[in-house]
Amino acid sequence: EIVMTQSPVTLSVSPGERATLSCRASQSVNTNLAWYQQKLGQAPRLLIYGASTRATGIPARFSGSGSGTEFTLIISSLQSEDSAIYYCQEYNNWRGTFGGGTKVEIK
Amino acid sequence: QVHLVQSGAEVKKPGASVKVSCKASGYIFSKYGISWVRQAPGQGLEWMGWISGYNDNTYYAQKVQGRVSMTTDTSTNTAYMELWSLTSDDTAVYYCARDQVGAPNWFDPWGQGTLVTVSS
Repeated sequence: EIVMTQSPVTLSVSPGERATLSCRASQSVNTNLAWYQQKLGQAPRLLIYGASTRATGIPARFSGSGSGTEFTLIISSLQSEDSAIYYCQEYNNWRGTFGGGTKVEIK
Repeated sequence: QVHLVQSGAEVKKPGASVKVSCKASGYIFSKYGISWVRQAPGQGLEWMGWISGYNDNTYYAQKVQGRVSMTTDTSTNTAYMELWSLTSDDTAVYYCARDQVGAPNWFDPWGQGTLVTVSS
């Protein structure tokens, strides 16, 4: 079973600064990786799939990269509305395993 | 506009079963699948399983395999998730999400969630 590990657990960033979130898979998932944003009390929202393809309507300040076992989500210029928990999810092996999440706080 | 609307909150006793519905609109139901994801209070996301809207093929997470059944009704574009032998560990918000038709992939969009509380 693949284990997805996200770091850091919490990230505090000033508005306008860059936020870098990491996701590591215990074995290769190729580029079969998605990122989601979940705001308090809401359902998650798809941000990125295929490791780097932005979903419809997602602002360009969100970008994803990586392949194999190491992945990164970058929020290039953090806005106040980006305060949320971010989850990665692999879909390489007929399953949908999530990472534990990174909470992004606005300084 | 794609929408998934789920049934309302449920309170169940340990050992009981629950069936959550997810009504889809705004797309051709048979061209996509549905995944179910749950989130225990204050915890992260846990994928439970997937069903194809085309041929009802299913994949279930090992953790719930044997206690879960996912079905669809193509006449009403509705997916169902039934979980039985409930324990307090099954207390969670249950989400459905549109997925790909051939296998679990990425989930977009999500339903609003259904809170299932298991308590004696």
